[in-house]
Amino acid sequence: GIQVEQSPPDLILQEGANSTLRCNFSDSVNNLQWFHQNPWGQLINLFYIPSGTKQNGRLSATTVATERYSLLYISSSQTTDSGVYFCAVRLAGGFKTIFGAGTRLFVKA
Amino acid sequence: DAGVIQSPRHEVTEMGQEVTLRCKPISGHNSLFWYRQTMMRGLELLIYFNNNVPIDDSGMPEDRFSAKMPNASFSTLKIQPSEPRDSAVYFCASSRTGGSNQPQHFGDGTRLSIL
Repeated sequence: GIQVEQSPPDLILQEGANSTLRCNFSDSVNNLQWFHQNPWGQLINLFYIPSGTKQNGRLSATTVATERYSLLYISSSQTTDSGVYFCAVRLAGGFKTIFGAGTRLFVKA
Repeated sequence: DAGVIQSPRHEVTEMGQEVTLRCKPISGHNSLFWYRQTMMRGLELLIYFNNNVPIDDSGMPEDRFSAKMPNASFSTLKIQPSEPRDSAVYFCASSRTGGSNQPQHFGDGTRLSIL
């Protein structure tokens, strides 16, 4: 089946720093989402981005579908950015969603 | 707009008891998904419905688990009998129908503890 790998697994940042999170996937997909799981366990939609680039405030994401990867950029990080960031993909024509293992981010004040 | 609503938020029960988790998808969404999250296995898809019909239940761990969607606005996930290894956070998500190119929206989850 399709493999979804996220890196790095853990990341510690000083408040104000920038970071890039990566998601590699092993097969063609037509659905890719980035989620933030906050310390309360809620899964928050960040981006629906099967291809191209999107920006939302301090966050932006780029997916290069032909090369099977996606990047999530966090600029000027804040302590509220702490949590786990998941990449989730779905194969073309299917409904089954595969989640990566996540990147655990801790932003220090 | 209301998001995906799950109940209860927390459930603690003794092993052997029946557990029923509930989900109300976003109005107008025709696809519904049940996930389980554990430390060991991460987020796993258990079952998904399209237009109230179960499409793929290959993720359901065993016969003790069952899910229903009697109408477009309600789904249940039942565990009978429950076991301590069923302890996890169970999420429900919904999306619009129209193929796989629709984003999923998650509820806040049910944290289940089986003693």
